Amino acid sequence: DADVTQTPRNRITKTGKRIMLECSQTKGHDRMYWYRQDPGLGLRLIYYSFDVKDINKGEISDGYSVSRQAQAKFSLSLESAIPNQTALYFCATSLTGSNTEAFFGQGTRLTVV
Amino acid sequence: TQLLEQSPQFLSIQEGENLTVYCNSSSVFSSLQWYRQEPGEGPVLLVTVVTGGEVKKLKRLTFQFGDARKDSSLHITAAQPGDTGLYLCAGAQFQGAQKLVFGQGTRLTINP
Repeated sequence: DADVTQTPRNRITKTGKRIMLECSQTKGHDRMYWYRQDPGLGLRLIYYSFDVKDINKGEISDGYSVSRQAQAKFSLSLESAIPNQTALYFCATSLTGSNTEAFFGQGTRLTVV
Repeated sequence: TQLLEQSPQFLSIQEGENLTVYCNSSSVFSSLQWYRQEPGEGPVLLVTVVTGGEVKKLKRLTFQFGDARKDSSLHITAAQPGDTGLYLCAGAQFQGAQKLVFGQGTRLTINP
């Protein structure tokens, strides 16, 4: 079983719909992240959380929200999806004091039509 | 503006050749990591370098951290088709929260 699990793996949704991407981890890490990957742009940070009561915006948080339901669970929501949010989304975890070495889920491919 | 610039962005070479990928920045990082990503998968950590000038080897892959901790290189000797993939460098910033900043990636293709 994967240490960092993302659901769904693929999703097609319509413009204006609300959608939630979920991430759970069994690594026992305290830090969790949501990234977006677009061709030629690498990975860009959307939100990050260093513990259950800590939520921080990344470089591209507009149009997104997150919830850290437990240490092991971190979900990303698009309140009203738009086509330019079509991308590959990755959840990652790391452990405080580990040089921020990140462990990634397998990704969610989201298409907004 | 990309904080970490990787070059080249695309590289296609023949099996057996050597290659170097570069990761450059004007910022100083507390550590720098290299990841490899295959289609349909998330990035997987290859190595972390922490000390300026540090060199680490992973079989045919050699990673170096610049003396000033602003840049890094990945050298592959005698490339094989199994080395094909997207290579990403990522730097951990000193200031504030220890977030990772990623380069845009180098897509490497090794032809048999």
